[in-house]
Amino acid sequence: KAGVTQTPRYLIKTRGQQVTLSCSPISGHRSVSWYQQTPGQGLQFLFEYFSETQRNKGNFPGRFSGRQFSNSRSEMNVSTLELGDSALYLCASSFSSQGANTEAFFGQGTRLTVV
Amino acid sequence: KNQVEQSPQSLIILEGKNCTLQCNYTVSPFSNLRWYKQDTGRGPVSLTIMTFSENTKSNGRYTATLDADTKQSSLHITASQLSDSASYICVVSSGDYKLSFGAGTTVTVRA
Repeated sequence: KAGVTQTPRYLIKTRGQQVTLSCSPISGHRSVSWYQQTPGQGLQFLFEYFSETQRNKGNFPGRFSGRQFSNSRSEMNVSTLELGDSALYLCASSFSSQGANTEAFFGQGTRLTVV
Repeated sequence: KNQVEQSPQSLIILEGKNCTLQCNYTVSPFSNLRWYKQDTGRGPVSLTIMTFSENTKSNGRYTATLDADTKQSSLHITASQLSDSASYICVVSSGDYKLSFGAGTTVTVRA
């Protein structure tokens, strides 16, 4: 059974550019959640998608957006990149909601560096 | 405000020794509590997930305890190995399935 796949693994972008990250969940999982992880802030929740609908959203500016396709694959987009957006972006997939009593599986993450 | 506090922030132990990590939370209402292990540069891996009615749960050399009354959890690592060097993150889910994350405890195991 394939795990959660995130692409690309590493990315370098310039301030002001936009970026799209991709996450393919485990087959059969309908929930995909996105997180930002930085050394100073730890793991912070961005948003969760379930069956193509955004179910929960964290406290991030509108520059961060996402979507989920009918095959449960999800993309996250960050527009007008800032230096502070440099982080490890993780996605997690689960069969039901991210916070339900079912296990969530994380991908390896995309390391984004904004210069 | 829902909060999750982990202690210590970091610790160093010798290979073969035991250690215990702490997690205190103020999340309410409570749905479940998870412990994750995260190796440097990799995604977190689930160790245990416990609901309100569970007091203890083990996963190999990892044993988690939960006291829902005092809102405290601990993760005990037995007979530590070099591969246990990682960050351990406590995550608490509230009734609306929102997650609150601890800052993590960095464990370094030395030979």
